[in-house]
Amino acid sequence: DAMVIQNPRYQVTQFGKPVTLSCSQTLNHNVMYWYQQKSSQAPKLLFHYYDKDFNNEADTPDNFQSRRPNTSFCFLDIRSPGLGDAAMYLCATSRVGVIGTGPSYEQYFGPGTRLTVT
Amino acid sequence: GIQVEQSPPDLILQEGANSTLRCNFSDSVNNLQWFHQNPWGQLINLFYIPSGTKQNGRLSATTVATERYSLLYISSSQTTDSGVYFCAVGSSGAGSYQLTFGKGTKLSVIP
Repeated sequence: DAMVIQNPRYQVTQFGKPVTLSCSQTLNHNVMYWYQQKSSQAPKLLFHYYDKDFNNEADTPDNFQSRRPNTSFCFLDIRSPGLGDAAMYLCATSRVGVIGTGPSYEQYFGPGTRLTVT
Repeated sequence: GIQVEQSPPDLILQEGANSTLRCNFSDSVNNLQWFHQNPWGQLINLFYIPSGTKQNGRLSATTVATERYSLLYISSSQTTDSGVYFCAVGSSGAGSYQLTFGKGTKLSVIP
């Protein structure tokens, strides 16, 4: 089945130690998103790639970076994790503005990576 | 930006009861989705419903775009329905594909 995959599902890192979370998709969607969700809060968009174009939300800390080497993969890099970065990180995809397809903005989410910072 | 309000924030139901969750939004939308977040944190797509009515088993949803609200109906609730239900919208225009989430409704279904 086509899907959005996130690895690892659980990640423990030390304060200040760089960490990378990965997301892959078999849906062939052109837009990929990273969300941060803290306990008892709604998901918050960090950034997204529209095809190869990177779009950063205005309030996303500089500590967060992203890479999309190809259509299928997207990475979230946290350069120096702090205790406040402990959260669930969700990857999502959608198919937007593709010629020959109808208008649909539906987003599909992966299972998430729960990050703990010690 | 667009504002999304969900009500009620918390809901406790006896197994077998019916419920209605509401989502109000402040601007016209091209995208509206309902999600169920399970205890493991995964967001499960329930409905993509920028307008109209859809049904899937015991769940159904209606969006009245002109009046800027959407409703999610859960009938004959089961304990497995417990979790947080999110409404998320994308406003009309250039940012339609970007979702803004409401704060969610936490549903607890007790046996």
